Amino acid sequence: NAGVTQTPKFQVLKTGQSMTLQCAQDMNHNSMYWYRQDPGMGLRLIYYSASEGTTDKGEVPNGYNVSRLNKREFSLRLESAAPSQTSVYFCASSGQGVGYEQYFGPGTRLTVT
Amino acid sequence: KNQVEQSPQSLIILEGKNCTLQCNYTVSPFSNLRWYKQDTGRGPVSLTIMTFSENTKSNGRYTATLDADTKQSSLHITASQLSDSASYICVVSVSLTGMRFGAGTRLTVKP
Repeated sequence: NAGVTQTPKFQVLKTGQSMTLQCAQDMNHNSMYWYRQDPGMGLRLIYYSASEGTTDKGEVPNGYNVSRLNKREFSLRLESAAPSQTSVYFCASSGQGVGYEQYFGPGTRLTVT
Repeated sequence: KNQVEQSPQSLIILEGKNCTLQCNYTVSPFSNLRWYKQDTGRGPVSLTIMTFSENTKSNGRYTATLDADTKQSSLHITASQLSDSASYICVVSVSLTGMRFGAGTRLTVKP
């Protein structure tokens, strides 16, 4: 099992450019999440998907869109990148229920200049 | 103000020594409290999950404690190893979409 995989690992964008971060999990989990991690701050939830076909906003959704392509894949899109979106992005997945373990991917380090 | 505060921000200890990391939270009520280990350049990995009714949970050399009355948790690491060098993150969960992450404590274990 690969667990949760993310691509790319690193990306540099210019302000206004767009890109899609890819995430896939092979643990047959229903729920998937996108977080961002900034220095000195805890991880913050951008979007989540409780099950295939559903997505909902998290704490910091502005400037992002998501697609739950199927049960395995959950992508995050930046339509017009801004320097404030410079961050490390983590995808995670879990079973349903508050006591379930969350498994995180290795992260994508994004720099917007 | 962050609802989950961790201290210290960073800590350096010698290999073989014990250490205790602190987590104070204001989230209430909550379903569970988690501790994660995050190696540099990697995603967080779960160490322990405690419900609000549990006082302690161990995972090898890692022992987490919870005092719901004072809204404090601690993570005690026994006989530290070089591989324990990482950030340790406290997370208080209201729900799977209502998780409040602390900023973490960066631990460095030196030989």
